[in-house]
Amino acid sequence: KNEVEQSPQNLTAQEGEFITINCSYSVGISALHWLQQHPGGGIVSLFMLSSGKKKHGRLIATINIQEKHSSLHITASHPRDSAVYICAVSSLETSGSRLTFGEGTQLTVNP
Amino acid sequence: DSGVTQTPKHLITATGQRVTLRCSPRSGDLSVYWYQQSLDQGLQFLIQYYNGEERAKGNILERFSAQQFPDLHSELNLSSLELGDSALYFCASFGTGKNYGYTFGSGTRLTVV
Repeated sequence: KNEVEQSPQNLTAQEGEFITINCSYSVGISALHWLQQHPGGGIVSLFMLSSGKKKHGRLIATINIQEKHSSLHITASHPRDSAVYICAVSSLETSGSRLTFGEGTQLTVNP
Repeated sequence: DSGVTQTPKHLITATGQRVTLRCSPRSGDLSVYWYQQSLDQGLQFLIQYYNGEERAKGNILERFSAQQFPDLHSELNLSSLELGDSALYFCASFGTGKNYGYTFGSGTRLTVV
């Protein structure tokens, strides 16, 4: 079993829909990260959180430490949100802040 | 510009060859991480350097090595290349204080033929 599991693997939505991507992890963490990878390959860090909730524009990330679960929400989705969204954790069991990654969620938003 | 510079962006080379990937971290960041993204294994941690010293090692093959120089740029050396080494190689730097968090480079796409 992977230390970080994401669902769904693939998600297709219509423009304007509310989107949720889920992430569960099985290790103690110092932080959870949400990353975005566009078709060109580059990776952008969206959020780093260790508790509660963070919001940036139309993106909201939440984490429940007790349940070892995080969600990434996109409100009023747009075709430019189409990308792979990756959940990653900095584990307390490993040194430094190196990341362990989920397999990613491929999001396609149709106009 | 993300602040982390990786060169080259693309590299095509033959099996058995050796290549060097270069990374310049965001200004002020002392930590550099190397990650490999392949189709079958996803994203995996290779190695971390902090201010010139190796801090942590992940699933890095013995044919691979890295170093971080006094100016904080880092190089990842891949030798005796095999077809399975074809992947995207990302460098990321981790900042503290005002720049707390990860910044990723745009990656080097390595194709071994």
